[in-house]
Amino acid sequence: QKEVEQNSGPLSVPEGAIASLNCTYSDRGSQSFFWYRQYSGKSPELIMFIYSNGDKEDGRFTAQLNKASQYVSLLIRDSQPSDSATYLCAVTGKLIFGTGTRLQVFP
Amino acid sequence: DTGVSQDPRHKITKRGQNVTFRCDPISEHNRLYWYRQTLGQGPEFLTYFQNEAQLEKSRLLSDRFSAERPKGSFSTLEIQRTEQGDSAMYLCASSSPGGSGANVLTFGAGSRLTVL
Repeated sequence: QKEVEQNSGPLSVPEGAIASLNCTYSDRGSQSFFWYRQYSGKSPELIMFIYSNGDKEDGRFTAQLNKASQYVSLLIRDSQPSDSATYLCAVTGKLIFGTGTRLQVFP
Repeated sequence: DTGVSQDPRHKITKRGQNVTFRCDPISEHNRLYWYRQTLGQGPEFLTYFQNEAQLEKSRLLSDRFSAERPKGSFSTLEIQRTEQGDSAMYLCASSSPGGSGANVLTFGAGSRLTVL
């Protein structure tokens, strides 16, 4: 079992829709969870992090964490074509990354 | 401060040669990480430092790979006797020691290695 698992996609959504990206992890002791966005040919950049169970909102982005189910998700509201990228889930302690989900937002 | 700097940005080498990459982290960050990324995959953890101490090294990492951070500032990653399978983007990242930004990685632009 991989330490951090994501569906590789691509996930295709129309402009204005909600994109839902999911991630599961194997280490029950994990404390911190991160979502990074990576455009093609670029380095990952942080979108947001979450430490506590529940939801955390930042603009159009909402991270959701359920430690009992070992599940973390990222919702992107009002998706824009500029959101088209690969979204990487990362988990402490060595910040293990998933393979990423490629999101395509079409006009 | 201009962020995390990596050098060189691109390196083409022949199989069997040694290569070295350098990373200059954000000055106030005491943690420094090295990752490797291939096409279609997420970054794969290689090693990380807290100040000058190398705290962890991936079990997947061959003995041909070595990293140093001698004064707790910049770091180097050396690959000896390169193989074609070493072709990848080598990413360096740094993070601050604590507070709300703890473990938040800031990545450099990466060093792309091509082994012929």
